[in-house]
Amino acid sequence: AQSVTQPDIHITVSEGASLELRCNYSYGATPYLFWYVQSPGQGLQLLLKYFSGDTLVQGIKGFEAEFKRSQSSFNLRKPSVHWSDAAEYFCACTTSGTYKYIFGTGTRLKVLA
Amino acid sequence: GAGVSQTPSNKVTEKGKYVELRCDPISGHTALYWYRQSLGQGPEFLIYFQGTGAADDSGLPNDRFFAVRPEGSVSTLKIQRTERGDSAVYLCASSLIPDLGANVLTFGAGSRLTVL
Repeated sequence: AQSVTQPDIHITVSEGASLELRCNYSYGATPYLFWYVQSPGQGLQLLLKYFSGDTLVQGIKGFEAEFKRSQSSFNLRKPSVHWSDAAEYFCACTTSGTYKYIFGTGTRLKVLA
Repeated sequence: GAGVSQTPSNKVTEKGKYVELRCDPISGHTALYWYRQSLGQGPEFLIYFQGTGAADDSGLPNDRFFAVRPEGSVSTLKIQRTERGDSAVYLCASSLIPDLGANVLTFGAGSRLTVL
């Protein structure tokens, strides 16, 4: 069955520290991968997406993610976290020929001042 | 409009009541989706519209849930005889005619439904 796993439910980092949020997918076909961020009371905002080509993709707000087919992973990274990055982050997957996204259960990020 | 608009943002109702949730997609987006996000979970697919027709309603949990999009723009999600388990945030998203190789969804802020 198709699935997206985000192993970390909560992560706490200090402001200015680096960040990596993990995402693993299980998909039979070539995946298209996304990271969304959700702040309280807000909708899901797209951070970045991977369809094909360069496996390191850049997104908004200084985020990047790397697609590693051999590890079925699409981890999100940021070199220096800002207090405003505190939010919930969702990894999602779809594939050509479908319009359904499969979402992970999310990782809630807390940033310490 | 500039973004996907959902109303109401919050709805509290009693068990057994009927509820309607509205979604106004981005102008020009022909594809519209409803997702449900329960507490502590990621969004789960409910239904997809291409134009006026429901192309896929396989995610609707049971026949108490129904959605329409009569003019190919605004959509309404309807829940009959609400149950406490229906409490969740209902998210609407839209996209251009989906190029199935590059379908990017834009989400609204959601409608939080609480069934007492």
